[in-house]
Amino acid sequence: QVQLQQWGAGLLKPSETLSLTCAVYGGSFTNYYWSWIRQPPGKGLEWIGEINHSGSTNYNPSLKSRVTISVDTSKNQFSLKLTSVTAADTAVYYCAREGRSHYYGSGTYSYYYYMDVWGKGTTVTVSS
Amino acid sequence: SSELTQDPAVSVALGQTVRITCQGDSLRSYYASWYQQKPGQAPVLVIYGKNNRPSGIPDRFSGSSSGNTASLTITEAQAEDEADYYCNSRDSSGNHLNVVFGGGTKLTVL
Repeated sequence: QVQLQQWGAGLLKPSETLSLTCAVYGGSFTNYYWSWIRQPPGKGLEWIGEINHSGSTNYNPSLKSRVTISVDTSKNQFSLKLTSVTAADTAVYYCAREGRSHYYGSGTYSYYYYMDVWGKGTTVTVSS
Repeated sequence: SSELTQDPAVSVALGQTVRITCQGDSLRSYYASWYQQKPGQAPVLVIYGKNNRPSGIPDRFSGSSSGNTASLTITEAQAEDEADYYCNSRDSSGNHLNVVFGGGTKLTVL
């Protein structure tokens, strides 16, 4: 059974860099995309970005200037860095595995994506 | 549009059927996935693709889609189904396929 274990600093000061790592235990690391998602207190889910095993990334346009997601395939780990944090970055941060597939019918492909395994979440607080 | 719209709150009587909807232009191109989140816990995938349930998800959860609207239906809702539910999909605007989440629906089982 696949498990995601995540860790990183939970208390930051404004302008510091948030750094989190997620380790993948069990299952394939190469056949999926790996995402970071956050949830501010009392609010909904916000996607931060994703990476695959070869290092191909895709970021939320609203965070792109401050986000870097990297991968270490030798350890089956991926990491998140978010620079210049402010109080607005206070949230629970989750890592997740994303599967992708498609249906084919009537001459067209229909794609679907799903996040089927999640880490337990890391609470990050930004406060002076 | 890169938005997915959900009703903020829905209620259902114990044992009755409830439908939670998610609207957005991207749903015309991509299927939605649905996640259940209970307080203090990570989200759990309950429906993906046309109507697929991960192992361990009860068959009272089902999904459907029409046009720009995806729906999650819970048949004979149980007390343990009380939770926040989020839809997500891909947004095809721009050069990349960004992930988008709906704002979430708080389901109360009466």
